[in-house]
Amino acid sequence: EAEVAQSPRYKITEKSQAVAFWCDPISGHATLYWYRQILGQGPELLVQFQDESVVDDSQLPKDRFSAERLKGVDSTLKIQPAELGDSAMYLCASSLAATQGGEQYFGPGTRLTVT
Amino acid sequence: GDSVTQMEGPVTLSEEAFLTINCTYTATGYPSLFWYVQYPGEGLQLLLKATKADDKGSNKGFEATYRKETTSFHLEKGSVQVSDSAVYFCALNAGGTSYGKLTFGQGTILTVHP
Repeated sequence: EAEVAQSPRYKITEKSQAVAFWCDPISGHATLYWYRQILGQGPELLVQFQDESVVDDSQLPKDRFSAERLKGVDSTLKIQPAELGDSAMYLCASSLAATQGGEQYFGPGTRLTVT
Repeated sequence: GDSVTQMEGPVTLSEEAFLTINCTYTATGYPSLFWYVQYPGEGLQLLLKATKADDKGSNKGFEATYRKETTSFHLEKGSVQVSDSAVYFCALNAGGTSYGKLTFGQGTILTVHP
């Protein structure tokens, strides 16, 4: 069964350092999402791509976060510089299209700890 | 804005007990509603969904009915198993300019003891 791949699974970094996460969606999925899940809370959308274009980045802290999906396939989320408050689980999800009733498939996530 | 509120947790049950996890929502228009489950060390998986009022979603013995009059989508299971221990998230997709964005509740931790 096809799955969403993410790496690394765990990352520990010091504040002010740069960190990057990678996501490979299910083949053929045009829509890719990055969510942030703070411990004890539900995931919140950071950025959404349709193919290689950003369609929603309204909740992305653009002064330190950036995301790209250059060829409309895999994607990278970067934080520079990292802050203590960025410690969270970063989840990638994909779907065939951005439909209201469609299923999103989630990867295992990258757990980031900023010290 | 759109929001989802889940019952406070954690919930601890004995095997074969009846489960209810309450979920209410606030949204404009007619959202689609979802329950996702997160097992330890894994990503979120879709458990069930409903896309219009009075629809009932069901999967693996779990059920939830889309109640527009009470803006609710409560999750139920008649007899829980130890393997059901996980975190359960209620979510909505408001559609329109929200594209495919999911808005999640805070999650409810379920622990089932033998």
